[in-house]
Parts: sequence; structure tokens; C-alpha cells
Amino acid sequence: NAGVTQTPKFQVLKTGQSMTLQCAQDMNHNSMYWYRQDPGMGLRLIYYSASEGTTDKGEVPNGYNVSRLNKREFSLRLESAAPSQTSVYFCASSEASASYEQYFGPGTRLTVT
Amino acid sequence: QKEVEQNSGPLSVPEGAIASLNCTYSDRGSQSFFWYRQYSGKSPELIMSIYSNGDKEDGRFTAQLNKASQYVSLLIRDSQPSDSATYLCAVSSGYSTLTFGKGTMLLVSP
Repeated sequence: NAGVTQTPKFQVLKTGQSMTLQCAQDMNHNSMYWYRQDPGMGLRLIYYSASEGTTDKGEVPNGYNVSRLNKREFSLRLESAAPSQTSVYFCASSEASASYEQYFGPGTRLTVT
Repeated sequence: QKEVEQNSGPLSVPEGAIASLNCTYSDRGSQSFFWYRQYSGKSPELIMSIYSNGDKEDGRFTAQLNKASQYVSLLIRDSQPSDSATYLCAVSSGYSTLTFGKGTMLLVSP
């Protein structure tokens, strides 16, 4: 089992460009999450999907959109990247709700210039 | 606003000692508690989960939960240099999201 996989590992964008971060899990989990991690700010939830077909905003959703493509895949899209979106992005999954253990992917390091 | 507080550290301990990491949380309705370890440049790795008051042991790790005091801790016995990392406390109130603390950096010196 690969667990949670993310692509790409690194990305550099210019301000205003768009991109999609991909996440997939092979653990048959129902819930999936997108976080960003910034120095001094900790992990902050961007969006989550409690189950296939549903998505909800987290703490810092502005400037992002998500798609739960199927049970395995959950993508994060930046429509018009801004330097404030420079961060490390982690995808995670859990069996069901946040009461259950979450498992993280390896992360995407994004720089917006 | 649910809050999870951790001392940022660094907490420095010698090899072989017990490292004690602490976490307090604001939401009295919290039900699930997790400890993650994060090496520099890597993703968080789940090391312990605890759901009821008391102690839970797994190898060299012991998680302790006191819901009345809204306090959860992680003890690492026989600390090794490979334990040097940032430890994240995470708390769930039973809804759909976890709240993470900002982490405590642990340094174990040989």
C-alpha cells in the first residue's frame, strides 16, 4: 500500500498562474483533507471532504477550490496564485470523521513568485 | 475558536532520558487526541492516539490524557537522537476536523 500520495513534490508558480495539486489514497478511507503549513502558523485546514460527494471549507479556504473526484482522489486548485499561497501543502485521509486517525501524504512545496 | 497550545521549545534532553511533551486544549467537548511526529522537511507521522482518561503505552511512548484539566501529554522513555523532531498535538471535538497545535521541537543530544 502506498498510503497517501501527492503530486507534484515541488512547484514554482508566477503570480496569477493556476495549478492543481493532486492527492490519492489507497486505504479505502472516506474522509480527505487539505492542509497548509507555514512557519510559526502550524497546520491549517483549507478544505475537507467528509465523504465522497461532499466538500466543506476549513479555516483558510480563500483562494482555493477542491474537487472530490471519487473516493480515492481529492484535488486542490489554485485559480490565480498569490505570493501569500507560498507554503507546504499536505493532503491527509481518515477512515471516517476527524475522530479517526488521519494519515498524511508527503506534501507539495509550492513557491509563488 | 478551538485552540490547542504547546510550548514551542526546543526541549533539550540527553540520550536515555525521559522527554515530556505537553499540550492543553480549549474545547471541553473534545473527544479524540493524537500525537504526530514531524521530521524537518517531512510530513506529520501519527505516533499515538488516545480517547479516554488515563495512560496509553506503545513501546517507548506513553500518552496521558486528563479531560478534567484539558491536558494531554506524551512521554518518550529512553530518548534517542532519532527522536529529535517536532511533535504536534491534535484534538478532535467529534465533528469533521482536527485542530493542531503549533508543535514542540525536541532535541535529543548524544
